[in-house]
Amino acid sequence: GAVVSQHPSWVICKSGTSVKIECRSLDFQATTMFWYRQFPKQSLMLMATSNEGSKATYEQGVEKDKFLINHASLTLSTLTVTSAHPEDSSFYICSARGLALSTYNEQFFGPGTRLTVL
Amino acid sequence: QKEVEQNSGPLSVPEGAIASLNCTYSDRGSQSFFWYRQYSGKSPELIMFIYSNGDKEDGRFTAQLNKASQYVSLLIRDSQPSDSATYLCAVKHGNKLVFGAGTILRVKS
Repeated sequence: GAVVSQHPSWVICKSGTSVKIECRSLDFQATTMFWYRQFPKQSLMLMATSNEGSKATYEQGVEKDKFLINHASLTLSTLTVTSAHPEDSSFYICSARGLALSTYNEQFFGPGTRLTVL
Repeated sequence: QKEVEQNSGPLSVPEGAIASLNCTYSDRGSQSFFWYRQYSGKSPELIMFIYSNGDKEDGRFTAQLNKASQYVSLLIRDSQPSDSATYLCAVKHGNKLVFGAGTILRVKS
């Protein structure tokens, strides 16, 4: 149980275009989802926290107008990288936490999306 | 000062040996601690978590927590080449997880 999927697993786009990444909790309701970014040989850096039905909370230094997060349902959150540039190329990973006791104390990670901006 | 610190390694151990991975954290009020394993190009997978002082064992893995010293460690017994990965220590800070930079472990056959 507690499976999180991401789509797409990898994407290549041209500079200036927008890219949407989906994160889904497949077998539990995710009240909170987290979006991370990981550059090569670095650790995970939290970008934002989103709660279902409310606005996301962004970490310091993360541009909310560039990284649009929508958490419209208990099983789906999306991250849209707007006007992507080569420096946005990274590994984007989502995680989810549920409300039930079995899913509350952990974050369950998706498999990640590798974004390459040309 | 980084909130969660780990030696980046690489830590090299022979197959069958015990690998010892260490992590220190700065927030004395932290209550929950997690160890994740991350293979290259993959997302982290949870190995185990620990909340209480002392040891917690799960198969070949043992997590050790010392809140007074603000120190958490992970021991891997009978290390296998498949254990070669980056090990991330994470500390729960409010609603969030704060990750260390990770320690690269290499198990040589």
